Amino acid sequence: DGGITQSPKYLFRKEGQNVTLSCEQNLNHDAMYWYRQDPGQGLRLIYYSQIVNDFQKGDIAEGYSVSREKKESFPLTVTSAQKNPTAFYLCASSLGRDFEKLFFGSGTQLSVL
Amino acid sequence: RKEVEQDPGPFNVPEGATVAFNCTYSNSASQSFFWYRQDCRKEPKLLMSVYSSGNEDGRFTAQLNRASQYISLLIRDSKLSDSATYLCVVNARNQFYFGTGTSLTVIP
Repeated sequence: DGGITQSPKYLFRKEGQNVTLSCEQNLNHDAMYWYRQDPGQGLRLIYYSQIVNDFQKGDIAEGYSVSREKKESFPLTVTSAQKNPTAFYLCASSLGRDFEKLFFGSGTQLSVL
Repeated sequence: RKEVEQDPGPFNVPEGATVAFNCTYSNSASQSFFWYRQDCRKEPKLLMSVYSSGNEDGRFTAQLNRASQYISLLIRDSKLSDSATYLCVVNARNQFYFGTGTSLTVIP
């Protein structure tokens, strides 16, 4: 079945540590997105990519980095510069064309030790 | 001003009730509109797209008013399983904008 796979489901970060969240899709989608969700708040865009080897900052990119070396993969690194990383992280993808809907992975809950 | 605004609720309704959620968006260039359902600590899942002519899927009816930049979702005959957060999502030039979600609890 086609879909988006995020891993791990739960992740713990020590202070000063970089951690990487994985996102893989086999939907042949061009566009991929990373969102952060804090309790009681809406989704906020961290980074997005419309095509391989290209990505743009979203509203809250500071302290995060991404790469898009393959169409299927869009990993997110939470760096030590992100001082408040505890949140639920959602990866999503779409065909990247007008009127297309968004498909989500199952999310990664990141917590700080 | 936020791109998408929703009443956060919470809405607590008895089983069998009809409940309506509203959403407004600020970007007049918005092209497509959706309602997603999100259960606690799960990913949002598409409930339905919203078309200009309005559309219905079983107990769920969605309406779009482009002139007023307003979207609505009506749930009839509420079930316990409808308890969730409902997200209004707007697509403008391949950017997706989310409301904060409206929390619904259906009470036995």
